[in-house]
Amino acid sequence: AQSVTQLDSHVSVSEGTPVLLRCNYSSSYSPSLFWYVQHPNKGLQLLLKYTSAATLVKGINGFEAEFKKSETSFHLTKPSAHMSDAAEYFCVVSDQTGANNLFFGTGTRLTVIP
Amino acid sequence: EPEVTQTPSHQVTQMGQEVILRCVPISNHLYFYWYRQILGQKVEFLVSFYNNEISEKSEIFDDQFSVERPDGSNFTLKIRSTKLEDSAMYFCASSTTNTQYFGPGTRLTVL
Repeated sequence: AQSVTQLDSHVSVSEGTPVLLRCNYSSSYSPSLFWYVQHPNKGLQLLLKYTSAATLVKGINGFEAEFKKSETSFHLTKPSAHMSDAAEYFCVVSDQTGANNLFFGTGTRLTVIP
Repeated sequence: EPEVTQTPSHQVTQMGQEVILRCVPISNHLYFYWYRQILGQKVEFLVSFYNNEISEKSEIFDDQFSVERPDGSNFTLKIRSTKLEDSAMYFCASSTTNTQYFGPGTRLTVL
């Protein structure tokens, strides 16, 4: 069975400082992993994905994530937070069946302090 | 850039009523999905649909739920007799590969 654990329900950073949102996964096989972002009253937007190619994945808006099999982690980082980054972030794993159903973590709310 | 659209954006209904939530997936996508997010909780998989039939469904997707692709563009989720606990944001998604693109969601409020 596939699952993800987001270790922090809420992260608060100052504008211009680095962002780290942590995610650990559990999967029976080599997983496909994603980060989605949800801004207030908006839908889910794909930030980036890992699908067994390069372990360091670059996404939109300056975010990136590194797949570490030995640590079963897929943490999301950004060198410098912007006010517009304030949102809910979801780490997601695919079940790798034909339909590739997604299983979401509980989310991390990122607050950016001016 | 093509996107998934959903209508309505907000639906209010009385308990026991039937609701139909509509989605227009991205046109060349083959897989279609519904997810829901109860307020304050995580996004949960409901059902996936491929080749005009359900591929997989979760425990949440009981006999009160059904999905349909009535024509070449729409993908609908029907709840036959809504309950208070069906109040949630419902997201439609579509994909061709293993990357799903989500619509903006329909907020369903059951009174």
